[in-house]
Parts: sequence; structure tokens; C-alpha cells
Amino acid sequence: AQSVTQLDSHVSVSEGTPVLLRCNYSSSYSPSLFWYVQHPNKGLQLLLKYTSAATLVKGINGFEAEFKKSETSFHLTKPSAHMSDAAEYFCVVSDQSYQLTFGKGTKLSVIP
Amino acid sequence: ETGVTQTPRHLVMGMTNKKSLKCEQHLGHNAMYWYKQSAKKPLELMFVYSLEERVENNSVPSRFSPECPNSSHLFLHLHTLQPEDSALYLCASSQGLGTSGTYEQYFGPGTRLTVT
Repeated sequence: AQSVTQLDSHVSVSEGTPVLLRCNYSSSYSPSLFWYVQHPNKGLQLLLKYTSAATLVKGINGFEAEFKKSETSFHLTKPSAHMSDAAEYFCVVSDQSYQLTFGKGTKLSVIP
Repeated sequence: ETGVTQTPRHLVMGMTNKKSLKCEQHLGHNAMYWYKQSAKKPLELMFVYSLEERVENNSVPSRFSPECPNSSHLFLHLHTLQPEDSALYLCASSQGLGTSGTYEQYFGPGTRLTVT
């Protein structure tokens, strides 16, 4: 069985400061892990994907995430927040099948 | 049109109505999905089609009836819905099914459904 927990439902940062969105997962196998972003009135867009290659994954728009097996974590970071980063972010896990298990989402607010 | 499109974007229907949601993908993919996104709940996978055959039905009530006439189109037929069915319904497609998230899923913008 697989599950994912996003530790914060809402994160607020000032523009230009670092972003940290936390995600812990549970999986019986070596999982694939993803971060998706959803802007208002838009579909989900893939930010980045981990599939057992390098543990530090770089994505679009300056985001990156580090897979830490010992901590069962896959936190999303960005060095400097931009106003356009305000959106909802979903951590997703997939083990042996095509099925994706989504977290409940973290809403990121960026203060000017 | 590019990517995955969904129509209508908003729908209000009464509990006795029958309506359909439409999804079209312009990516040449072979697999399509319906998801339900409710407030405060994780995305729920409803149905999966691969090469126009249904491969997954996640205990979805029969008042939701999917149809996949070809690999580019996916419909969700709705009848006698309940207020708790109000949600954002998202369609997605991928190149294939694969395992362990091999194929990225591309999402449409969703249909916001309100059942009155």
C-alpha cells in the first residue's frame, strides 16, 4: 500500500525568500515520486519526478526536491519565491502500478 | 488546441438531470483517466482506459458512467447525482499505462460541477 502526507496545508512566504514544502511517503516498494502544481482554474502540471536515479531532482521554474529514503521524505524547495509560484502543490507517490496516490495539497501564498 | 481539453468548464445540474462531461487529448496518448477533486480531500482516481478498454473502476457509483469511443476522447455521463458529487472533475492522459509512474500524466483544466 502507498500513501503520502503533506505536512502543511498552507505555507506563506515573502517574495525572494526560500520555499520549503514538506512531503512524507509510505510505500512497500521502491516508489516513484512526483510534485505537481495547480494554479487557479488550471489543470495539474508536473514540476518534477523521481524514479530511482539521482536523489536530487531538478524540475521546472527553479524547483527541486531531494529523495531521502531513510526519512521517507521528498520535500520540495526553491531558493527564491516569485509571485507566480502562488498555487497549490501536490506530492504524489506511485509504486508498482500506473496508479498515482496524491497528497491533500499545500497551498503556497507569496507575499509581495 | 493543444494538450488536454475539457468541456464544459462549469456545470450546474439538478439531481434529476442527465449531463455529460467531455475530455479530448491532442497528444497521441493511449491511456485516459477520470479523477475527482473534492475540497479538503486528495484526488481520487475514478476510471482508467487503455486503448479504449476500461482497466480500472475504483468503486465508483453507477450514476457515473464513462465512455471512451476512441483513444482521443473520453466522456463521463452523469445522471441522478447527489449534492456530495459536487467537485472538480479532472481528465488526464498518458502515453501508456506503464508501472511505477513510468508515463507522465497530463491533466486538463477540469469541469467544476455543482449539483443542486
